[in-house]
Amino acid sequence: GEDVEQSLFLSVREGDSSVINCTYTDSSSTYLYWYKQEPGAGLQLLTYIFSNMDMKQDQRLTVLLNKKDKHLSLRIADTQTGDSAIYFCAEKGNTPLVFGKGTRLSVIA
Amino acid sequence: DAGVIQSPRHEVTEMGQEVTLRCKPISGHNSLFWYRQTMMRGLELLIYFNNNVPIDDSGMPEDRFSAKMPNASFSTLKIQPSEPRDSAVYFCASSPGPTGGYTFGSGTRLTVV
Repeated sequence: GEDVEQSLFLSVREGDSSVINCTYTDSSSTYLYWYKQEPGAGLQLLTYIFSNMDMKQDQRLTVLLNKKDKHLSLRIADTQTGDSAIYFCAEKGNTPLVFGKGTRLSVIA
Repeated sequence: DAGVIQSPRHEVTEMGQEVTLRCKPISGHNSLFWYRQTMMRGLELLIYFNNNVPIDDSGMPEDRFSAKMPNASFSTLKIQPSEPRDSAVYFCASSPGPTGGYTFGSGTRLTVV
């Protein structure tokens, strides 16, 4: 079945850029998503990219998609302490969203 | 819109008891999903509905788990009897259609002692 892999932890200094990476296996993926989960809360949709795009920018967020390598990344510019959370990559093909296990981003002041 | 509403937010129950989790999706959303989140397994899809009809329940771990969607604005996930290994956060999410992103509720944290 489909699988989505992410590294579990990332630690950055406030003001630096964060890059969270994700790989997926489903070549029929149509949309790829990034969700953010803060403590005690549900998952919040941050951004998404259609599979025929290479890049999408939304304010401090940049999503890069390498469809050949099935690699997705999320770059957060000027990372703030409020960005500390768990970030989930998810892909959608012919089935419901498949999520990675999430990357816990810690921002050091 | 109030978003996806789940209740209760927290549930503590004794092993063997019946537990019912509730979800109200966003009005107009055709698809509803139940996920379970644990540290070990991450987010697991349990079951999903399209237009109130269960489409795939292969993620339901055992016969002790059942889910219903009697109408477009309400769904329940029931565990009977509950066991300590069912302790997790259970999320409901809804989506406007096949290509829409999901909106998640705040989750129900279930503890079975």
